[in-house]
Amino acid sequence: NAGVMQNPRHLVRRRGQEARLRCSPMKGHSHVYWYRQLPEEGLKFMVYLQKENIIDESGMPKERFSAEFPKEGPSILRIQQVVRGDSAAYFCASSPPGLADFNEQFFGPGTRLTVL
Amino acid sequence: DAKTTQPPSMDCAEGRAANLPCNHSTISGNEYVYWYRQIHSQGPQYIIHGLKNNETNEMASLIITEDRKSSTLILPHATLRDTAVYYCIVRVPDKLIFGTGTRLQVFP
Repeated sequence: NAGVMQNPRHLVRRRGQEARLRCSPMKGHSHVYWYRQLPEEGLKFMVYLQKENIIDESGMPKERFSAEFPKEGPSILRIQQVVRGDSAAYFCASSPPGLADFNEQFFGPGTRLTVL
Repeated sequence: DAKTTQPPSMDCAEGRAANLPCNHSTISGNEYVYWYRQIHSQGPQYIIHGLKNNETNEMASLIITEDRKSSTLILPHATLRDTAVYYCIVRVPDKLIFGTGTRLQVFP
């Protein structure tokens, strides 16, 4: 029973390039969440999605960042024109359908983005 | 912003109980308290959650005060593998809001 999968695990980009981070939720889970963790800090919520819908994007930077969770395939977090400040660990979590308030979130291993 | 306050670090001897405190004085009546931990730089791992009653599972126990303004996570017999950052979280709709957590160091 595979857990949340994220790829790539490590991603290196030069300033100005695009970064695409993928997240496959646990089987049967229809809720996906993205979090960002800067060095020596706690995780910060970015966005919450259900299939084909963005439910809460209150933690997403207004520019350059976007997220999707299509009907088929993984959820994608996309960062355009990356800058050094985007260097961080990006974690995806998923939870089963139902009341999102009460479902525990299962986290993936994260993608470590380094911007040169 | 996180609605919880935790000590930045704690030590515990292997085999002893680790008691991790958390203050959440502004918690609302229907908000749950969740605990996660993060080992090294791995993804956070769910431990336990509760509303008002004490809870226990195979990993830990959660003691919530009667006024719900604070709670304690108890690892009954800490092992070296329990060394991690422990996050106490007041669950708000749709997201987990992490604070800075408590770095627990278990020593031999």
